Amino acid sequence: QSALTQPASVSGSPGQSITISCTGTSSDVGGYNYVSWYQQHPGKAPKLMIYDVSNRPSGVSNRFSGSKSGNTASLTISGLQAEDEADYYCSSYTSSSNWVFGGGTKLTVL
Amino acid sequence: EVQLVESGGGLVKPGGSLRLSCAASGFTFSSYSMNWVRQAPGKGLEWVSSISSSSSYIYYADSVKGRFTISRDNAKNSLYLQMNSLRAEDTAVYYCARGGYSGYDFPSYYMDVWGKGTTVTVSS
Repeated sequence: QSALTQPASVSGSPGQSITISCTGTSSDVGGYNYVSWYQQHPGKAPKLMIYDVSNRPSGVSNRFSGSKSGNTASLTISGLQAEDEADYYCSSYTSSSNWVFGGGTKLTVL
Repeated sequence: EVQLVESGGGLVKPGGSLRLSCAASGFTFSSYSMNWVRQAPGKGLEWVSSISSSSSYIYYADSVKGRFTISRDNAKNSLYLQMNSLRAEDTAVYYCARGGYSGYDFPSYYMDVWGKGTTVTVSS
């Protein structure tokens, strides 16, 4: 199972909005509404930010939103804040009853 | 407080074995699926294995199939990963992660609580 494709890095200024894409295939992202997104700060454990494409867990800021179109899912962060600077990973359930992560995107807040 | 604490990591020679444990607290362990996810130094996350709440469903990544065994003891609120025939490429931080609640006996499609991880180094 190949990793989902994410941009290696994205950046934005405080207050701006950014979008991170996550591209897979019809066997994973495109075939199921089971895409999740995780935030990881350096040296820390990942934190769930979005599940089932667009649902936010309790306690996660509404500045984070998720969507999907075809084989590509997206994470949008609006009103960028310094603390949003981190690595972000998408994940999807696959037709092989496996789970696959994206390669990760480093978000820099300028 | 919901908490997952991994243990059992360390330095092991290629071909060796190691057993990781994950102690769960603060929630009804037997109602949730569980997962192992690893992260090699400087690399991204890699799903390793998942187990449903009653162990009826177990899945492995191709990279560890036949070498690793996931198991759980609901009476002890514990998750395990037996790792055999270890290779240098298995070197990573191993995270224990809880599956989101689904209400049925199948691995959840996302992971909502993560431990801090335990480090496994495979080197001669």
